[in-house]
Amino acid sequence: AQSVTQLGSHVSVSEGALVLLRCNYSSSVPPYLFWYVQYPNQGLQLLLKYTSAATLVKGINGFEAEFKKSETSFHLTKPSAHMSDAAEYFCAVSGHNFNKFYFGSGTKLNVKP
Amino acid sequence: DTAVSQTPKYLVTQMGNDKSIKCEQNLGHDTMYWYKQDSKKFLKIMFSYNNKELIINETVPNRFSPKSPDKAHLNLHINSLELGDSAVYFCASSSYQETQYFGPGTRLLVL
Repeated sequence: AQSVTQLGSHVSVSEGALVLLRCNYSSSVPPYLFWYVQYPNQGLQLLLKYTSAATLVKGINGFEAEFKKSETSFHLTKPSAHMSDAAEYFCAVSGHNFNKFYFGSGTKLNVKP
Repeated sequence: DTAVSQTPKYLVTQMGNDKSIKCEQNLGHDTMYWYKQDSKKFLKIMFSYNNKELIINETVPNRFSPKSPDKAHLNLHINSLELGDSAVYFCASSSYQETQYFGPGTRLLVL
C-alpha cells in the first residue's frame, strides 16, 4: 500500500524567503515520488520526480526536493520565493509501474509581497 | 499544441442527467487515466486504460463508465448525475512506466 501525507494545507511566505513544503510517504515497495503544481483553474504540471537515481532532484522554476529514505520524506524547497510561485502543490507516490499515483491532499502556497 | 486536452472545460447540469467528458492526448502515450478532484482538492484515481484495455478500476459507482475508442482518446460517461459528482475531473496520460501528464480539467457542477 502507498500513500503520501502533506503537512500543512496552507503555507505563507514572503517574497524572497525560503519555500519548504513537506511530504512524507508510506510505501511497501521502493517508491517513485513526484511533485506537481496546480495554478488556479489549470491542470497539474510536473515539477520534478524521483525515480531511484540521485536523491536530490532538481525541477523546473528553481524547485528541488530531496529523497530521504530514513525519514520517508520528499520535501520540496526553493531558496527564494517569487510571487508567481503562488499555487497549489501536490506530492504523489507510485510504484515502479507508474500505473497508480497516490496524491497528497495538497498544500496551497501563498507568497506575500 | 495541447498535449492532453479535455472538453468541455466547464459543465453545469441538472441532477439525473447523463453527460460525457472527452479526453484526447497527442503525445503518443499508451496509457490514459481519469482522476476526480473534490472540493477539498483531494485527487483520486478513478480509471486507467492501457492500449484501450481497462487496467485500473477503483471503487467508483457504476454510473461512471469510461470508454476508449483508441489509444489517443479516453472518454468518461456519467449516468444519472448526483450532487456529489460535482468536482473537477482530470484526464492524464503516460507512456508505459513513465510520468503522467495531466489535462486542464473539466469542472462539473451538478445542480
